[in-house]
Amino acid sequence: DGGITQSPKYLFRKEGQNVTLSCEQNLNHDAMYWYRQDPGQGLRLIYYSQIVNDFQKGDIAEGYSVSREKKESFPLTVTSAQKNPTAFYLCASSGGVEVGYTFGSGTRLTVV
Amino acid sequence: GQQVMQIPQYQHVQEGEDFTTYCNSSTTLSNIQWYKQRPGGHPVFLIQLVKSGEVKKQKRLTFQFGEAKKNSSLHITATQTTDVGTYFCAGRKNYGGSQGNLIFGKGTKLSVKP
Repeated sequence: DGGITQSPKYLFRKEGQNVTLSCEQNLNHDAMYWYRQDPGQGLRLIYYSQIVNDFQKGDIAEGYSVSREKKESFPLTVTSAQKNPTAFYLCASSGGVEVGYTFGSGTRLTVV
Repeated sequence: GQQVMQIPQYQHVQEGEDFTTYCNSSTTLSNIQWYKQRPGGHPVFLIQLVKSGEVKKQKRLTFQFGEAKKNSSLHITATQTTDVGTYFCAGRKNYGGSQGNLIFGKGTKLSVKP
């Protein structure tokens, strides 16, 4: 079945370390997105990519970086510059503006 | 910045009661989508509304898009415990002919007492 896979489900890191969250899709979607979800804050857009080898900053890109070297993959790196990295991170993809987003099951990152 | 406001933030109902969540934008939207996120889960796409005044139904769920395409609502008739979760609206705006990214509301968390 087609879908989006995020790994790992839970991730623990020490403060000051960079960490990379994986997002892979086999839906043949061009557009991919990274969101951060905090309690009571809804979904906030970190980065997005409309096509391979191109990506754009979202509303809260500071302290994060991404790459889009393959259509299927859109990894997110949470750098040590991100002041409050503990959160639930959701990856999504879309086949166009006329259809909904497909979300992965998320990665819950805890930085101690 | 651009915002899509959603109210209420929380709603507690007795099983069998109705539930409504509202979504408002200060500017006209090209379309609006609704998602449901179960506790501990991820958002799942429910529906998209595109036309002014559009009404769509999915079993006990009724979705409406306002005439001015600035507001939307989701109404659940006779809630069940399986309706528990957070419901998000997400609006998309037009920018000179091209469509922008989805802007998510903060969601309404629904709890249902059996």
